[in-house]
Amino acid sequence: EADIYQTPRYLVIGTGKKITLECSQTMGHDKMYWYQQDPGMELHLIHYSYGVNSTEKGDLSSESTVSRIRTEHFPLTLESARPSHTSQYLCASREGGNEKLFFGSGTQLSVL
Amino acid sequence: RKEVEQDPGPFNVPEGATVAFNCTYSNSASQSFFWYRQDCRKEPKLLMSVYSSGNEDGRFTAQLNRASQYISLLIRDSKLSDSATYLCAVNPNNAGNMLTFGGGTRLMVKP
Repeated sequence: EADIYQTPRYLVIGTGKKITLECSQTMGHDKMYWYQQDPGMELHLIHYSYGVNSTEKGDLSSESTVSRIRTEHFPLTLESARPSHTSQYLCASREGGNEKLFFGSGTQLSVL
Repeated sequence: RKEVEQDPGPFNVPEGATVAFNCTYSNSASQSFFWYRQDCRKEPKLLMSVYSSGNEDGRFTAQLNRASQYISLLIRDSKLSDSATYLCAVNPNNAGNMLTFGGGTRLMVKP
């Protein structure tokens, strides 16, 4: 089992609120990723990081931001949540030279 | 054309059946290939890597066809517990070595 954790598991929140989705891994992986996935749809990469103080935007445009101050922690923040942000957010990590990706259990976000 | 394409299904099969899925990729320089399994509203979990020579893990066999640019997953003697969405993932040999995922193929095994 991969040691990568996401909290909260479910979040229902009102429009305009600021939210932070947490992701932590205890495997010492350099590379971390955030994916967005709607039900029955494909995964879309929204952010990634190659290490501390490194963050990049992914293929899918997102209004969220990320930070990587510590190797094990890669939080995602939405400054002002909107209903269009309703989705599942999956965090993942991998070792530098290994392509196998390990996923957290996801955060199901609903913005009312 | 999408980089990685899969038939979304669903594939409805009886228990004990053999079922196969394909996944096509557009970048001929793609290096690495994987199959992930995703249960409803859960995270994807790595099922198996796909090697050039093909590989087998119990009832599951993965194959790579570079000439036609597709990978396949064969499930023999399917179980009810095999019901899930199967995602293929491809490393298109980009600078970041990031995986690109297909949309998944949904499998439903019926008693």
